[in-house]
Amino acid sequence: VIWMTQSPSLLSASPGDRVTISCRMSQGISNYLAWYHQKSGKAPELLIYAASTLQRGAPSRFSGRGFGTEFTLTISRLQSEDTGTFYCQQYYSFPPTFGQGTKVEI
Amino acid sequence: EVQVVESGGGLVQPGGSLRLSCAASGFTFNNFWMSWVRQAPGKGLEWVANIKKDGSETYYVDSVKGRFTISRDNAKNSLYLQMNSLRAEDTAVYYCAREPAAVGMTFDYWGQGTLVTVSS
Repeated sequence: VIWMTQSPSLLSASPGDRVTISCRMSQGISNYLAWYHQKSGKAPELLIYAASTLQRGAPSRFSGRGFGTEFTLTISRLQSEDTGTFYCQQYYSFPPTFGQGTKVEI
Repeated sequence: EVQVVESGGGLVQPGGSLRLSCAASGFTFNNFWMSWVRQAPGKGLEWVANIKKDGSETYYVDSVKGRFTISRDNAKNSLYLQMNSLRAEDTAVYYCAREPAAVGMTFDYWGQGTLVTVSS
């Protein structure tokens, strides 16, 4: 099983801020990484897959980078609707696993 | 519009059984692998099981192997999760999720979830 460490666990920021969330893997996963956003009481939504490919319909203020063991999700200009929890997910090895989440407060 | 809608959750005693259903619409169901993902109250996401397009292959997380069975009926555009020998630690919101073609085990459409509570 691949272990994932997301940081920070909690992030407080203001509208318009540029914020970055990190996801570190216990072993290399090439670029088999996705990012999701979950608003309170709702299902997660896919934002990015293959580490840096923006999912159709996801806002362009979201971007992803990384390869191997270190990955980041950046929100270029934070908006009020970005509140919630962000999860990274690896799909390099079975079973697919999720990070513990980063809660974003605005 | 792609939609997946779960049903069948509820309160069940430890050791009991429950069958979840997921009705899919807005896409060609038999062209996609499908998964169940769960989320315990206040916790993170955990992939549970998935099934191949034609139902010929199924895979499970270790913690549910031998207790849960995923299946599908492509004629009815429906996905199922039969859960037996339920434990308190199975308490969670269960999401039905579509795996996008040619991407890998990511999940591009999710239902609203159905809550399963295992308690005496």
